Amino acid sequence: AQSVTQLDSQVPVFEEAPVELRCNYSSSVSVYLFWYVQYPNQGLQLLLKYLSGSTLVKGINGFEAEFNKSQTSFHLRKPSVHISDTAEYFCAVTEGGGFKTIFGAGTRLFVKA
Amino acid sequence: DAGVTQSPTHLIKTRGQQVTLRCSPKSGHDTVSWYQQALGQGPQFIFQYYEEEERQRGNFPDRFSGHQFPNYSSELNVNALLLGDSALYLCASSLERGTSGNTIYFGEGSWLTVV
Repeated sequence: AQSVTQLDSQVPVFEEAPVELRCNYSSSVSVYLFWYVQYPNQGLQLLLKYLSGSTLVKGINGFEAEFNKSQTSFHLRKPSVHISDTAEYFCAVTEGGGFKTIFGAGTRLFVKA
Repeated sequence: DAGVTQSPTHLIKTRGQQVTLRCSPKSGHDTVSWYQQALGQGPQFIFQYYEEEERQRGNFPDRFSGHQFPNYSSELNVNALLLGDSALYLCASSLERGTSGNTIYFGEGSWLTVV
């Protein structure tokens, strides 16, 4: 069965510093991978997704993620964060041919001035 | 272009009661999924509706049921409410094209508190 593990529950970082939010998944079949962001009291917004092709995926707000099949990882990165990036970030996976998207427990990114 | 809309935004129910939450998908979308997000956790898949039928279900008891209408809108019903049902309930819509890689769009959710 598929599962998603976000390795850090909270990541504090100073403004303009780089950040990496880690995500590992388990699945016996091909997968589609997603990162979503949730701002306080709001729904989830898609940051980026990997379906196939290039393993480096670029998303909105300057975020990017790299799919590593051998390590079953899909880490999210941003070279320079802003205060406005403070939010909860969720990694998610859908097995190819399936209809259910499984989410990780989330990583709270806290950007400090 | 209206996104996914959910109602009500907040509600309080008593243990043992029943609740109905409503969702209108993004314009043009025909597939609706429901998720439960407890405080401090990621969303948990409840079920998905397509062509007015439930086509996949997560690990939720039969107290959780749903419906999809011909206009693709959907309802989530929860019977015999328990304190543990307190959560944010998210509706998500997508366009069925025979692939599970389509982007799903989320509404802002319905906050349910059971007392």
